[in-house]
Order: sequence, then structure tokens, then C-alpha cells
Amino acid sequence: AQSVTQLGSHVSVSEGALVLLRCNYSSSVPPYLFWYVQYPNQGLQLLLKYTTGATLVKGINGFEAEFKKSETSFHLTKPSAHMSDAAEYFCAVTPRNQGGKLIFGQGTELSVKP
Amino acid sequence: GAVVSQHPSRVICKSGTSVKIECRSLDFQATTMFWYRQFPKKSLMLMATSNEGSKATYEQGVEKDKFLINHASLTLSTLTVTSAHPEDSSFYICSARGGGQGWEKLFFGSGTQLSVL
Repeated sequence: AQSVTQLGSHVSVSEGALVLLRCNYSSSVPPYLFWYVQYPNQGLQLLLKYTTGATLVKGINGFEAEFKKSETSFHLTKPSAHMSDAAEYFCAVTPRNQGGKLIFGQGTELSVKP
Repeated sequence: GAVVSQHPSRVICKSGTSVKIECRSLDFQATTMFWYRQFPKKSLMLMATSNEGSKATYEQGVEKDKFLINHASLTLSTLTVTSAHPEDSSFYICSARGGGQGWEKLFFGSGTQLSVL
């Protein structure tokens, strides 16, 4: 069965530092890949997604992610963290024939220190 | 852009009562809606998938008689937690997919925090 693993349930960085949130998936066929952000007691907001084409995907708020098939990874990065980036981040996948049925990783809580 | 409205955002109820949560797509027709459950500090778990006009498909382990899902129109899906108990307390989130926007483009509601006393 398809699964998603996010390494590190909690990541803490200093303001201005690089943000790196890790995501690996298990699938013999590359799925579609997503990163979502969730602020407390709110729904999910799509940061970026990879379906086809260029493997480096740019999203909102300065985030980007690179799909690496050989590593079955889709890590999320941002060059310089802002205080407003503090939130819960979820990596998700959907098999290409599942019509939008998302499988989520465990989530990574990002803290940003001043 | 497309928006999904979920209501109520927060509900407190007594044990044994039923609670209905609404999920509306505001400016597109949602052919498919998904209902997720999220425990504190946990990931989202898919509960069921509903297609307009047909019965919902429940994930393994989700009681269909406990969590009633109705998707009677292309803009509205409802989740009813019947005879709620404290263990049903959770954050419930819906998402909607519009057929004309690319199947991979999903929009999430803002969630409903259910507390059962």
C-alpha cells in the first residue's frame, strides 16, 4: 500500500535560516505529490504540487520542493525562514488512478525562533 | 479562486446527540468530496469519499452507520456524527474536487472542531 513518511515530527530553525522538511513515499509508480500547510484550528492550504514536468516545483510563500524519483523523495525547502512560517506541514500523495484520494504523512511541526 | 466552506467551525454537544457538519463548494461543482478526521498532533485520516448522487465509500475501520455522509448536490456534502460519544471528539475536515479544474486540484474546508461532552 502507498505510504508517506515525513522524517521529524518537529523541526526548529532560526529566523532567516534554511528550512528543510523531508518527505519520502513508497510506491513503485511515482504518484502525484503535494505539500500542505496547516495553521492551528484551520484547514489545509496547498503550498505546491508535482504532477508531471519539471521536477523542481515552486510554490507559494517562497517554498519549493524537488521530486527525486531515484530517492522516492519530495523534500520541501525555503531559503530563509520567517516567523510566519511556523505551522504544521503535511506531505501527501495520491496514486495517479485514485482521483484525488490523498494519503498524508504524519506531519512536521515547524517552529521558527527569533 | 475556488473556495470550500465548512460549517460549523466548532461545535460542542452532549453525548448521545447527533451533529451535522456541512461542506459547500462556493464557486465550483464538486463531483467528489472527501471527509478526513484529524486527532491532535496527528495526521489526517481519510474517512470516506463521496460522489454526488451515489453512496459514500468508507475507508476500512470507519463505521458507516456512525458517520453518515450525504452528497445530494454538486455543491453540498454533509457528515452526520450519530449518537456522538466523547471518543468522536476530533477535528473533521472536508475537501472537494471539481471536475473542470483538473482532478489533482483539491480544496479543503477550514475544518470543524467537534467536542463531545
